[in-house]
Amino acid sequence: DGGITQSPKYLFRKEGQNVTLSCEQNLNHDAMYWYRQDPGQGLRLIYYSQIVNDFQKGDIAEGYSVSREKKESFPLTVTSAQKNPTAFYLCASSISGTANSPLHFGNGTRLTVT
Amino acid sequence: AQKVTQAQTEISVVEKEDVTLDCVYETRDTTYYLFWYKQPPSGELVFLIRRNSFDEQNEISGRYSWNFQKSTSSFNFTITASQVVDSAVYFCALSEAKDNNAGNMLTFGGGTRLMVKP
Repeated sequence: DGGITQSPKYLFRKEGQNVTLSCEQNLNHDAMYWYRQDPGQGLRLIYYSQIVNDFQKGDIAEGYSVSREKKESFPLTVTSAQKNPTAFYLCASSISGTANSPLHFGNGTRLTVT
Repeated sequence: AQKVTQAQTEISVVEKEDVTLDCVYETRDTTYYLFWYKQPPSGELVFLIRRNSFDEQNEISGRYSWNFQKSTSSFNFTITASQVVDSAVYFCALSEAKDNNAGNMLTFGGGTRLMVKP
């Protein structure tokens, strides 16, 4: 079955440590996205990529970094510079990066930093 | 700047009741797209519907229906004869087509948590 796989589902880290969240898709989609969701709030865009080796900052990119070395993979690193990293992180992809392309989401990774 | 408002943070209904989830949006673009997503307890968002700004025709899909009114900048979602399985958080979202190759920059509303009790 085609889809988006995020791992792990739950992640715990100590403050000051960098952590990388995995996102893999086998939908052959060009565009990939990372969103952050905080309790009771909507999703906010962190980074997105429309093509391999290219990515752009979203609304809340500070303290995060990404790479897009392969079409299927779009890992997100939460660095120690991110002041409030505890959140639910959702990866998504779309066939193209156009405004009318529905996003397909993974199951998310819940990150807790103490 | 674009904005999406879902004023209802939580709604609780009893099974078989009809329920409407409100969505109001703001945009200066003349071409835009509206979406509804469902987020069940498992966490992933499931795409339900997309509407473009030039198509105000209402849509029905089974127990789901959507009412798009440009005059009031609203895109409301109605579930008829609700079921327990409809319990989830529902998000309305907007993307503008002004720079169609700049990625699908969705702006999400804050979501409405729907609880359907047996």
